[in-house]
Amino acid sequence: AQSVTQLGSHVSVSEGALVLLRCNYSSSVPPYLFWYVQYPNQGLQLLLKYTTGATLVKGINGFEAEFKKSETSFHLTKPSAHMSDAAEYFCAVRGQGGKLIFGQGTELSVKP
Amino acid sequence: DTEVTQTPKHLVMGMTNKKSLKCEQHMGHRAMYWYKQKAKKPPELMFVYSYEKLSINESVPSRFSPECPNSSLLNLHLHALQPEDSALYLCASSQILGEKLFFGSGTQLSVL
Repeated sequence: AQSVTQLGSHVSVSEGALVLLRCNYSSSVPPYLFWYVQYPNQGLQLLLKYTTGATLVKGINGFEAEFKKSETSFHLTKPSAHMSDAAEYFCAVRGQGGKLIFGQGTELSVKP
Repeated sequence: DTEVTQTPKHLVMGMTNKKSLKCEQHMGHRAMYWYKQKAKKPPELMFVYSYEKLSINESVPSRFSPECPNSSLLNLHLHALQPEDSALYLCASSQILGEKLFFGSGTQLSVL
């Protein structure tokens, strides 16, 4: 069975600082991994995905994530935070039957 | 058109009412999903339709009844709901089951 753990329910950074949101996964098969962002009162939007191939994945809005099989991790980073990055971020793994299994989410706050 | 449109955006209903949530996409996606999301929690999968057939029902109570009239439309019929059913209901679609889901903005449901 697949599962996802996000470390830290809340992360606060200063504008211009590095953003690092942590995600570890468990999967009995090669995983398909995703990061989604949810702004207040909106649905989720896909930031990036890893299926196969290159382990460093670039997404929208300057975000990227690196798949590390040895560490079972898929951490999300952005070199320089912007105020507009404040949102809830969900890591997810594809489960059986096409189910998306989400982590508990990390709320990112950006201080001016 | 890369949008998933959900109506209504807000719904207040009594426990004896019957109402329906609607979802529409015109991206040619053949997989459609209903999720339920409580505040500060990740989305929970309710139903998955693949090629207009119900493929996953996550043991959802029968007071929720999904319907997929055609490849572009997905409905969720509600009857005799409980106050604990109050939540944000999200519809999503994807080209491939479990990959790159596009989410609507959701229907915020309050059951009185």
